[in-house]
Amino acid sequence: QQQVKQSPQSLIVQKGGISIINCAYENTAFDYFPWYQQFPGKGPALLIAIRPDVSEKKEGRFTISFNKSAKQFSLHIMDSQPGDSATYFCAASPNTGNQFYFGTGTSLTVIP
Amino acid sequence: DTEVTQTPKHLVMGMTNKKSLKCEQHMGHRAMYWYKQKAKKPPELMFVYSYEKLSINESVPSRFSPECPNSSLLNLHLHALQPEDSALYLCASSQGFGVGYEQYFGPGTRLTVT
Repeated sequence: QQQVKQSPQSLIVQKGGISIINCAYENTAFDYFPWYQQFPGKGPALLIAIRPDVSEKKEGRFTISFNKSAKQFSLHIMDSQPGDSATYFCAASPNTGNQFYFGTGTSLTVIP
Repeated sequence: DTEVTQTPKHLVMGMTNKKSLKCEQHMGHRAMYWYKQKAKKPPELMFVYSYEKLSINESVPSRFSPECPNSSLLNLHLHALQPEDSALYLCASSQGFGVGYEQYFGPGTRLTVT
């Protein structure tokens, strides 16, 4: 059973556009929500993370929006660049430990 | 230094071989993880070591045997693997094992079982 649902599976955006990736979960014990970026042949790298006590967190061009009541969170990439082309994974971790439950991933392609 | 290193980068082994994957971090992290990642899929947690003790084993077959010799090193011993075990094996570490600790991933070992 997939604990974190992620959409879309793939996304194509023009350079300068906004990329939006959505994730949803059911387990109310989840208490930490990181986003990872992975390039082919590399390990995932942490982009940005949020705790449920805030509704939004911004770091540079990357913003997480969090809706606790809907149990949804999303990643917005502003001014998308070809170098952002990668696979993005959302994840969730329960308040009892640090096991990460990953979403299924979104393959982002930014067209010049 | 926020680096997790893994060796080897690539490994090809037969089904009767015994091999080991190695992971190292020098960030003083006390939790280390092994993940398995198939192509176009998310990482799947295999094992977690917290303070050098195995704290999570996600029902991984016994042909995979983890070892944590010290707080900086994590090994994964492989024996009698199957072709379906071919995948990218990722190591990660975090400062502690508790909610909110960032996990830092290594580049992975690409394993092919023939």
